[in-house]
Amino acid sequence: AQSVTQLGSHVSVSEGALVLLRCNYSSSVPPYLFWYVQYPNQGLQLLLKYTSAATLVKGINGFEAEFKKSETSFHLTKPSAHMSDAAEYFCAVTTMGGGGGSNYKLTFGKGTLLTVNP
Amino acid sequence: KAGVTQTPRYLIKTRGQQVTLSCSPISGHRSVSWYQQTPGQGLQFLFEYFSETQRNKGNFPGRFSGRQFSNSRSEMNVSTLELGDSALYLCASSLSRGSTDTQYFGPGTRLTVL
Repeated sequence: AQSVTQLGSHVSVSEGALVLLRCNYSSSVPPYLFWYVQYPNQGLQLLLKYTSAATLVKGINGFEAEFKKSETSFHLTKPSAHMSDAAEYFCAVTTMGGGGGSNYKLTFGKGTLLTVNP
Repeated sequence: KAGVTQTPRYLIKTRGQQVTLSCSPISGHRSVSWYQQTPGQGLQFLFEYFSETQRNKGNFPGRFSGRQFSNSRSEMNVSTLELGDSALYLCASSLSRGSTDTQYFGPGTRLTVL
């Protein structure tokens, strides 16, 4: 079964520093991968998604992620952290649900809480 | 275009009661999925509805059920509530059911079971 692993449940950076949130996937076939962000008391907002069109995917708010098949990774980066980036980030992969066919569902990693220090 | 809306936003119930949560998808979206989010288990898929039919189901007991109406609005019901059902319940909608279709999430309903 396809899954994702997020390394580090909590990452702390200084404002202006590089943000790197790690996500590794396990999949025997090319996966479709997503990064979502969740601000306190809110739902999930899509940052970006990989659907095999390009290995470097640019998302909203200055975030980007690179799909590396050789490393089975899809790490999320942002060159310069802003205080408003403080939130929880989830990596997700589309997996086949019960019954096969077109029964897809999102399987999420455990999440990484990003703290940005002034 | 309005986003996914969920009502109510907060709910407090006692053990043994039942609860119904509502989700209105983005206009034109036909697929609605439900997820449970807890600190211990993270985000877990409950089920998906498309064209008023449950198409996909996660590993949850039969106390969790749902339905979808002809206008794509969806409801989720939990009967005989247990303390462990306390969670944030998120609804997500997508245009269709493809593997690359983006799911757009609502703000969630925070359910507390006492």
